[in-house]
This record gives sequence, C-alpha cells and structure tokens, in this order.
Amino acid sequence: DTAVSQTPKYLVTQMGNDKSIKCEQNLGHDTMYWYKQDSKKFLKIMFSYNNKELIINETVPNRFSPKSPDKAHLNLHINSLELGDSAVYFCASSPRTAGREYFGPGTRLTVT
Amino acid sequence: AQTVTQSQPEMSVQEAETVTLSCTYDTSESDYYLFWYKQPPSRQMILVIRQEAYKQQNATENRFSVNFQKAAKSFSLKISDSQLGDAAMYFCAYTSNRDDKIIFGKGTRLHILP
Repeated sequence: DTAVSQTPKYLVTQMGNDKSIKCEQNLGHDTMYWYKQDSKKFLKIMFSYNNKELIINETVPNRFSPKSPDKAHLNLHINSLELGDSAVYFCASSPRTAGREYFGPGTRLTVT
Repeated sequence: AQTVTQSQPEMSVQEAETVTLSCTYDTSESDYYLFWYKQPPSRQMILVIRQEAYKQQNATENRFSVNFQKAAKSFSLKISDSQLGDAAMYFCAYTSNRDDKIIFGKGTRLHILP
C-alpha cells in the first residue's frame, strides 16, 4: 500500500502557467510537508501544515500556496510558473510536527 | 530495490565527546547521493552533510564528518565535540541520479548527556 502518494509524477509546462501537484497520505498523520529538491539534491522545506498551523518558509515565493481539503491531502498550487521553479517537489507526512517523516515519490516539474 | 538501514535506534554521548552513527545501504546504482539529516524536536529536517558517490573523499562540515566506504556500502556520521544542540533524530538518506525517489533510514535518536 502506498503511504504517501503524489500526482503527477512528471509535469512539463510553460512559463506563466498555473499548476497543481496533489499529495495524499493514508497513514493517518497529522502533519504534512512540501519540500523542494534543488539541483544538488538538497531538500529544502517549503511548508509544514497540520490542522492547526501553517508554517511557511519565508524564502518561498507567494506564487506557491498549499491547500488542504482534508487531513489526508495537501496540494501544492503554483501560479505564474517560472523557469527557476523547475525541480523535484516532495510531499511528506509525519504523525506529529516532530515525528519521523514519510516521503512521497516526488514530482519532477519542468518549466519551459 | 534500494534500502537504507540504521541499526542504532538510540544513542547517547557525553557532551564534548565524539559519537558515530551507523548507516548501511544497498543499491545496484553507481551514481547516487547519500545524506545525513538532523531533525531536532518540533522542527523540520535539516541537512547535515551530503556525499556524492563518485567522490572518494569523505565529506566534512565543521564538527560533522562521514566515513564513506563505497564497497562496503557504509556511510557513518561522526560528530566531534558533541554539543547539547546536537540532540535530535538523525536520518541517513539515499537518492540516485536515475530516479527521484528518496529513501530514508528509520533514524537514530541521539541524546547528549551534560
């Protein structure tokens, strides 16, 4: 059974478009995250979210916004895509804010 | 399938002493990256150190260094002059250049004794 899933796996789009990446976890976890992996494979936290609190990394442009329709989902919306947004984006979840995180398979976003 | 194993669920070390956290992995790939991440209480994961598999030289970052043994598929983390702020969960992680999946070990909880 997939614990943390992301769709799509690959996303190719043009500059200026708006796109979303979906994330779902079936672990019953309270907290979900979005990470961006840069070209050197570093993971950088973008958001952490539970039903009480959204914590935003201040370096994340406001074109990025997380949306959580329910506890099991945290989708990532990106407006006005730029070339520099090309990266692999990982969703993760944990049972609590400081718990071990379980990662999804990643979504490779390519902006042309 | 790739796997990452951390065989020490918990470890303790006296402040100012040196501690080594173990990590072994299994892969058939030749081009990959290994990481150690630190997760302090109530905080998100922080990258501690990164090693590229094609580099023979062990990575170092201040008090943190790794012992990368590629043939043995071993990637241990050494923390020198341990400080109270080093107390955290430490995760070993693997990712290859062939796909985007990140594989984490189960973590080692490190306690620093004053």
